[in-house]
Amino acid sequence: NAGVMQNPRHLVRRRGQEARLRCSPMKGHSHVYWYRQLPEEGLKFMVYLQKENIIDESGMPKERFSAEFPKEGPSILRIQQVVRGDSAAYFCASSSLQDSYGYTFGSGTRLTVV
Amino acid sequence: GNSVTQMEGPVTLSEEAFLTINCTYTATGYPSLFWYVQYPGEGLQLLLKATKADDKGSNKGFEATYRKETTSFHLEKGSVQVSDSAVYFCALSDGGETSGSRLTFGEGTQLTVNP
Repeated sequence: NAGVMQNPRHLVRRRGQEARLRCSPMKGHSHVYWYRQLPEEGLKFMVYLQKENIIDESGMPKERFSAEFPKEGPSILRIQQVVRGDSAAYFCASSSLQDSYGYTFGSGTRLTVV
Repeated sequence: GNSVTQMEGPVTLSEEAFLTINCTYTATGYPSLFWYVQYPGEGLQLLLKATKADDKGSNKGFEATYRKETTSFHLEKGSVQVSDSAVYFCALSDGGETSGSRLTFGEGTQLTVNP
């Protein structure tokens, strides 16, 4: 029973390029959350999605960031025109309606913008 | 809004020492409280949780009690091991036990245990 799968584990992008981060939730989980961890800081909520719907994107930067969770396939966090300040670890978590033990987190994608 | 405050780190202890990591929170309503642990290069793992006042969460020798009167959820372990070296995050969920509630995290406390 695979856990939450994120890929790639490490991603290097030059300033101005696009970064696409993927998250496959645990089997049976229909809720996906994205968090960002800046160096030496805690995790900050970005967005909460269910299949084909964005439920809460109050933590997403207003520009360049978008997220989707299509009917088929993984959830995608997309960052356009990356800047150095986007360098961080991006974690995905999933849960189901029946899950009362918090989320299951993936191992994260570490984005480095050079 | 919700917030979580953890004691500043890093914390360095000798093996078998007693551990306390303080955590206090601010929230409306009745949040669920969590401790997560992050080992180097890995994602967060749920360590323990408590969903209502006076609940005690425990796992792997760690425990924390939900204290509504002091809005605290301090993490304790009686005898730490080198393998406990990690970053520990206190977090709250403002939706109680229901799914669909985002987590608010503290800044994390780095623990290093020396042999």
